[in-house]
Amino acid sequence: DTEVTQTPKHLVMGMTNKKSLKCEQHMGHRAMYWYKQKAKKPPELMFVYSYEKLSINESVPSRFSPECPNSSLLNLHLHALQPEDSALYLCASSQTLTEAFFGQGTRLTVV
Amino acid sequence: QKEVEQDPGPLSVPEGAIVSLNCTYSNSAFQYFMWYRQYSRKGPELLMYTYSSGNKEDGRFTAQVDKSSKYISLFIRDSQPSDSATYLCAMPGGGADGLTFGKGTHLIIQP
Repeated sequence: DTEVTQTPKHLVMGMTNKKSLKCEQHMGHRAMYWYKQKAKKPPELMFVYSYEKLSINESVPSRFSPECPNSSLLNLHLHALQPEDSALYLCASSQTLTEAFFGQGTRLTVV
Repeated sequence: QKEVEQDPGPLSVPEGAIVSLNCTYSNSAFQYFMWYRQYSRKGPELLMYTYSSGNKEDGRFTAQVDKSSKYISLFIRDSQPSDSATYLCAMPGGGADGLTFGKGTHLIIQP
């Protein structure tokens, strides 16, 4: 099973809302990631959790707040987003550097 | 110069043709090389990964790495309309503990 599950699949939120994206994997992978993907662009790394500790924060604005409650779960809390934050948000997990498995993404629209 | 270069296409070929997709990279530290397939509005799906120079085959797909030229390729034999997607090369390492992606090549297989 190489499944990474993301919820919700679609999200529309206003600029004053607070919402959360969720990601789950049951492959026992040590690392989990959040990527942001704009249309016709490759995924861009936002955050990396390794053994449930935040190891990489790629200069992401504080309106994005990651959380890793346990080794299987990853959340991304959203607050006061801007319309330019509208994108496909992808979660991924990996055990080694050789392969990372992605979820289907949450398509976020900020209005 | 970007770390990974990939022609975004679109690349349009007739059904049954052999497709060649390519990436070049500049960082000698890259040791592993991955190919992902991404359908519109979906998450990237890992197709293959390779470590050393040479070829690796999986069904209709062959991945080729030439470390001396810093050049990687993905060949698709007997291409099908269902192969129409964006193909992303990716390498772990570089500036962060995540994946460095090429821009992705948009492939269209004409029935």
